Amino acid sequence: GENVEQHPSTLSVQEGDSAVIKCTYSDSASNYFPWYKQELGKRPQLIIDIRSNVGEKKDQRIAVTLNKTAKHFSLHITETQPEDSAVYFCAASRSNAGGTSYGKLTFGQGTILTVHP
Amino acid sequence: EPEVTQTPSHQVTQMGQEVILRCVPISNHLYFYWYRQILGQKVEFLVSFYNNEISEKSEIFDDQFSVERPDGSNFTLKIRSTKLEDSAMYFCASSVQYSGNTIYFGEGSWLTVV
Repeated sequence: GENVEQHPSTLSVQEGDSAVIKCTYSDSASNYFPWYKQELGKRPQLIIDIRSNVGEKKDQRIAVTLNKTAKHFSLHITETQPEDSAVYFCAASRSNAGGTSYGKLTFGQGTILTVHP
Repeated sequence: EPEVTQTPSHQVTQMGQEVILRCVPISNHLYFYWYRQILGQKVEFLVSFYNNEISEKSEIFDDQFSVERPDGSNFTLKIRSTKLEDSAMYFCASSVQYSGNTIYFGEGSWLTVV
């Protein structure tokens, strides 16, 4: 089955700096890669996702890059703010035989991001 | 914005007891899921459900677990005989079949087995 490795496990940055979190996956058939932000005791919330037909996607201060050949993808947060502090999870999945569901997400171990004011 | 809702938010149960966790997925969604997260660990897939049957399940989802959609709105996870290691946050999630399949998570049900 799919295995997703995520690094680093903790990341501490100063407000305004950039943060980069990296994930690798094992299943070359995986074609959907979401990133979730989870605050303490809360639900995982989707912040950005990328599908395998795209190499990069950006949404304001957040961007994700995908290298299918190397089987890794990264989350980039620019101009970090204290409210960005949370646990970030990457995940990977593939569509089912009918090509209609990305439901079985395999998550990475998570990165605790701390942004210091 | 529509949300996945879950009840209860927290339940404490004795080892060996049966527990039912309830979820109301987003109304136009067709795929439903249960995930769990043991404290301090990553989120793990348990089961997916579509068209009134399980479409996929993980090795965690053994005979102690079952899912059901008893009516048009609720989706339940039953643990027949709880064990200490079942203590975790259980997240229900749902997704639309055709339009991007973004998976939306509920707030979770924190289960403590004592």
